[in-house]
Amino acid sequence: DIQMTQSPSFLSASVGDRVTINCKASQNINKYLNWYQQKLGEAPKRLIYNTNNLQTGIPSRFSGSGSGTDYTLTISSLQPEDFATYFCLQHNSFPFTFGSGTKLEIK
Amino acid sequence: QVQLKETGPGLVQPTQTLSITCTVSGFSLTSYYMQWVRQTPGKGLEWMGFIRSGGSTEYNSEFKSRLSISRDTSKNQVFLKMNSLKTEDTGVYYCARANWELWGQGVMVTVSS
Repeated sequence: DIQMTQSPSFLSASVGDRVTINCKASQNINKYLNWYQQKLGEAPKRLIYNTNNLQTGIPSRFSGSGSGTDYTLTISSLQPEDFATYFCLQHNSFPFTFGSGTKLEIK
Repeated sequence: QVQLKETGPGLVQPTQTLSITCTVSGFSLTSYYMQWVRQTPGKGLEWMGFIRSGGSTEYNSEFKSRLSISRDTSKNQVFLKMNSLKTEDTGVYYCARANWELWGQGVMVTVSS
């Protein structure tokens, strides 16, 4: 199974900050990496698919990059509504696996 | 409106069978894969399996021996059944469409006597 190591687990930041969240795969996942935002009691929302494709309707302050085993989600300027939990998903090979999540909190 | 909604029992006793229904609207199950995922305190998010648009299935080997995914296209419903439940199976169960672009809100399942 491909292990997804997500970091950091917790991130404290302020409105306007630029933040990055990382996922490292235990083997090449060929850019089949999605990023999600999850708020308490809500369905996860896809932000980025296949590494760097912005989901329709998601603000352009969200971006993704990476290749091989290393992937990054960047939020260029944090907005109040961005404080949530973020996780990655690799869908390159079975079994699909997830990162452990990053909780983004207000500083 | 395209949406997914999971419904389930809430509380299940250990060793019993869990049955969850995902009811979809706004699209046809014959056109999309449907995935099942769960989120537990012990293991976080885990992919459980999917049913293809043609009806065949794929399972995570972690669950394969006790998991079944099926559907009723006429009712726009996908079903998850998992037997031999343990307390560690307590968590939130989600259905998601195809390429993970749309998820239901999830249903909380507690396994306890």
